[in-house]
Amino acid sequence: DAGVIQSPRHEVTEMGQEVTLRCKPISGHDYLFWYRQTMMRGLELLIYFNNNVPIDDSGMPEDRFSAKMPNASFSTLKIQPSEPRDSAVYFCASSQDRAQETQYFGPGTRLLVL
Amino acid sequence: EDQVTQSPEALRLQEGESSSLNCSYTVSGLRGLFWYRQDPGKGPEFLFTLYSAGEEKEKERLKATLTKKESFLHITAPKPEDSATYLCAVLSGGYNKLIFGAGTRLAVHP
Repeated sequence: DAGVIQSPRHEVTEMGQEVTLRCKPISGHDYLFWYRQTMMRGLELLIYFNNNVPIDDSGMPEDRFSAKMPNASFSTLKIQPSEPRDSAVYFCASSQDRAQETQYFGPGTRLLVL
Repeated sequence: EDQVTQSPEALRLQEGESSSLNCSYTVSGLRGLFWYRQDPGKGPEFLFTLYSAGEEKEKERLKATLTKKESFLHITAPKPEDSATYLCAVLSGGYNKLIFGAGTRLAVHP
């Protein structure tokens, strides 16, 4: 299995621009998670999906952030408009089912907003 | 509120010098405790899951143990390639999501 795939790996944009991060989970995994990692706050959960349905988005910082999962093999995290404080590494992770609950992480997208 | 605290923040070891990393937690009903390894520029890599006090798991030079209040990651005779940040996370009964600690940065020097 190729593991969790994320794109792009690096993104540099200017404040006010729209940013879209993409994730392909491991095939057969029912749960998908979006995390953000910064030096100050560590690894924080933003939102997670179960069978393509958003379950908990309480970690989404504000309305500028949105996430979708149109099918079992694809999810996006969008920031519009982006701000410098959004600069971080964004990880996508997936897990097979609730009983197992082990999450497998992608390589991350390093976002820099100027 | 669920909380995970890892110590020390950073640890420097000589190759072959065994040590332990600590993860203390406060959760409303532990459903699982997870250890991950993270290398610079990469995503966290799953190591172990522990579910109940007294449980132990081993993988090469690493051994994870769990009590009712904390978990230890023991590193026996470490090698430079064990250098990484080690993250601890808990899954509590109150929330269906992982709560991560800040991690321990381990550096093993030859």
